[in-house]
Amino acid sequence: NAGVTQTPKFQVLKTGQSMTLQCAQDMNHEYMSWYRQDPGMGLRLIHYSVGAGITDQGEVPNGYNVSRSTTEDFPLRLLSAAPSQTSVYFCASSYSKNRGDHGYTFGSGTRLTVV
Amino acid sequence: EDQVTQSPEALRLQEGESSSLNCSYTVSGLRGLFWYRQDPGKGPEFLFTLYSAGEEKEKERLKATLTKKESFLHITAPKPEDSATYLCAVVSYSGGYNKLIFGAGTRLAVHP
Repeated sequence: NAGVTQTPKFQVLKTGQSMTLQCAQDMNHEYMSWYRQDPGMGLRLIHYSVGAGITDQGEVPNGYNVSRSTTEDFPLRLLSAAPSQTSVYFCASSYSKNRGDHGYTFGSGTRLTVV
Repeated sequence: EDQVTQSPEALRLQEGESSSLNCSYTVSGLRGLFWYRQDPGKGPEFLFTLYSAGEEKEKERLKATLTKKESFLHITAPKPEDSATYLCAVVSYSGGYNKLIFGAGTRLAVHP
């Protein structure tokens, strides 16, 4: 099993550009989420989804959009990139939306730089 | 507000020198506490889940414990390959769903 696959691994954007970070999982997990990781601040939740067609905002949703048309895919869209969005982005999935018995499986991350 | 604080921020140990990492939390109704290991340039890797005070779990040289206010990750006789950032997270319930709230992590360096 591939687990959680994120693409691209690295990306440089100019301010104002838009892009989509891809996330796919092959474990039939119903719960998927996006986090950003900044030095000294820990992982912060951007958006999450408890199943196809259902998404909700996390702690830091501004400037990002998500959709969940299939169980496998959960893309994160940056609408108009800003330098404050320079960060490492992680996608995570879990079997259960209500218990973490199996833990959350994380992708290897996308390192984004906005200049 | 749900919050997770980890200490110390960084820890340097000699190989074989046992120590503990701390994770203190404030959450309205604990639904679970996770420990993760993160290596440079990689995503967090799941280690343990703890659900109730008094619970303990072990994996090789690692042992996680939980009280009503904090969790400890005990590292016994560490080896250089244990060097990593260790993350603690609690499950927060709001809006009908669970979310993970992470601490900033403890960077552990084990020297031979």
